[in-house]
Amino acid sequence: GESVGLHLPTLSVQEGDNSIINCAYSNSASDYFIWYKQESGKGPQFIIDIRSNMDKRQGQRVTVLLNKTVKHLSLQIAATQPGDSAVYFCAENRAGGTSYGKLTFGQGTILTVHP
Amino acid sequence: GAVVSQHPSRVICKSGTSVKIECRSLDFQATTMFWYRQFPKQSLMLMATSNEGSKATYEQGVEKDKFLINHASLTLSTLTVTSAHPEDSSFYICSAIIAGIPNQPQHFGDGTRLSIL
Repeated sequence: GESVGLHLPTLSVQEGDNSIINCAYSNSASDYFIWYKQESGKGPQFIIDIRSNMDKRQGQRVTVLLNKTVKHLSLQIAATQPGDSAVYFCAENRAGGTSYGKLTFGQGTILTVHP
Repeated sequence: GAVVSQHPSRVICKSGTSVKIECRSLDFQATTMFWYRQFPKQSLMLMATSNEGSKATYEQGVEKDKFLINHASLTLSTLTVTSAHPEDSSFYICSAIIAGIPNQPQHFGDGTRLSIL
């Protein structure tokens, strides 16, 4: 849904620490989830995705965890670097219907990495 | 691969002007493209889904006569903001998906910053 008037959650970490960004989704019919990174003035950049038949997926320095029981998604970034500073969005895709490829975006989290 | 180009990156124009934004998939065919609007420090709000060769599907509350969408080829969709007013000032972002592949991420352009004076 819309987040008009709300401030984005923020997460501040020190360089080298691990970061965990959380996302709650509402639609139990969603079967595909994506994490995006958005830097200031740019479009969202794909980080990692996961299908609902999995509960964990790893990439380079990133891990996505999916808990379908509580409808929760998290993004873990290992050894966070200043270049990781950005807004992170989760997105979900609902299975079937007429909304092929359509994504619903979460509120977003601002990650700030301090040197 | 899967590069989406959006043009222009920034537009400043007077109230009442119509503005056209282009979204191109550079290295793949995109039967479906999406148009979003984003206000500062907020999430992306889907405006419409653009399908090649057919009418766009607009989200609730989005005026189709205000935001004209044309998707005439498999690599190009355009969004025209007609008779733009200051309240239309925003960051407009397009995305595209590769034809025929299920469960794939949307590939985004770098957005267009629209400022109406």
